[in-house]
Amino acid sequence: DQQVKQNSPSLSVQEGRISILNCDYTNSMFDYFLWYKKYPAEGPTFLISISSIKDKNEDGRFTVFLNKSAKHLSLHIVPSQPGDSAVYFCAASGASGGSYIPTFGRGTSLIVHP
Amino acid sequence: EPEVTQTPSHQVTQMGQEVILRCVPISNHLYFYWYRQILGQKVEFLVSFYNNEISEKSEIFDDQFSVERPDGSNFTLKIRSTKLEDSAMYFCASAGGGRTDTQYFGPGTRLTVL
Repeated sequence: DQQVKQNSPSLSVQEGRISILNCDYTNSMFDYFLWYKKYPAEGPTFLISISSIKDKNEDGRFTVFLNKSAKHLSLHIVPSQPGDSAVYFCAASGASGGSYIPTFGRGTSLIVHP
Repeated sequence: EPEVTQTPSHQVTQMGQEVILRCVPISNHLYFYWYRQILGQKVEFLVSFYNNEISEKSEIFDDQFSVERPDGSNFTLKIRSTKLEDSAMYFCASAGGGRTDTQYFGPGTRLTVL
């Protein structure tokens, strides 16, 4: 039961171009969405988040867009850099007894070519 | 910058043996978590811990698993009798408070059960 889906296991982009990573969710109770980045042999690192009351959140080169009606979010990286090469996990959460445990997608491996 | 640390980085054990995975969360954090990632699959939530007790656990976290915060700094995950399917990367995470889903992950312990 995949409540959070990242349908592209990998993405290859040229340095300087835009990277767009997509994520779909099925649970309408989710109200907070996060992106994590993971390098090999390291744990996931929080990147950016968005609340369901917004449709866009920007932090430097990273922008997350949320389309609630489509239950879809995307992460845009502009411009992409070789150091952005990593696995990106989409995660979603909603209130559950006062704690918020994120449900993760399977991840998309981004490769940025110099 | 404060970080979550985990030891050991790699643990090899025989099926049926007990293992203890150790984590030192960020010092002023109040919420603690264990996740696992089986190779090629998504990051899965195991358990959350707050105020010296389990606050949530997943179906994966059965009677073979236990967690403890023995001394105010360490946070441990014990697997009583390991199975082959317990082989995975185990991540510890901690969060400060408030909206607890912005979690900071450790580098993980790779558990190999032979």
